[in-house]
Amino acid sequence: NAGVTQTPKFQVLKTGQSMTLQCAQDMNHNSMYWYRQDPGMGLRLIYYSASEGTTDKGEVPNGYNVSRLNKREFSLRLESAAPSQTSVYFCASSENQGETGANVLTFGAGSRLTVL
Amino acid sequence: AQSVTQLGSHVSVSEGALVLLRCNYSSSVPPYLFWYVQYPNQGLQLLLKYTSAATLVKGINGFEAEFKKSETSFHLTKPSAHMSDAAEYFCAVRRTGAGSYQLTFGKGTKLSVIP
Repeated sequence: NAGVTQTPKFQVLKTGQSMTLQCAQDMNHNSMYWYRQDPGMGLRLIYYSASEGTTDKGEVPNGYNVSRLNKREFSLRLESAAPSQTSVYFCASSENQGETGANVLTFGAGSRLTVL
Repeated sequence: AQSVTQLGSHVSVSEGALVLLRCNYSSSVPPYLFWYVQYPNQGLQLLLKYTSAATLVKGINGFEAEFKKSETSFHLTKPSAHMSDAAEYFCAVRRTGAGSYQLTFGKGTKLSVIP
């Protein structure tokens, strides 16, 4: 049982280049998320998808786009990378139990992105 | 809006000593609260969660947390630290209302265990 798989694990980009981070989960979860982690800042939500076919902005969406390709896959795209986007990116998924559920997140191992 | 504040970005304890990591929450309604752990170069793993069933919550690896409404706290404790506990710990609160499945994380507390 792989859980949440992210690719690539490491990437170095030049300013202005584009790239897509891929995420797939095999737990049949409804909701998926992209977070970024920066030193001293904790995790900040970039975008999320409550269910297949829907996406919404989180706390820090500027400079990013997402695609919920199907129930399993949720990709994050940087159209024109900037040094401020140097970070570790985490994909996560959850069952989305609605108002009454605890909605526990399962995280991938992370993708470390450096923008020069 | 819900939020959490973790007191202390870095905590050091000796092996065998008590571990206490502090988290205070802000919420206008009873929240769901979580502690996650992140080992070096890994993703986050759930340690424990509070969902109003019991105020003292036991998690994995001997950790537990107590929900105290009067103090708006959800501190994480472990009676005896082990070298393998060295990691970064994140407190999180679940938002309610629109987008209620989102979690808001604290900034994290890095735990060092001294032999």
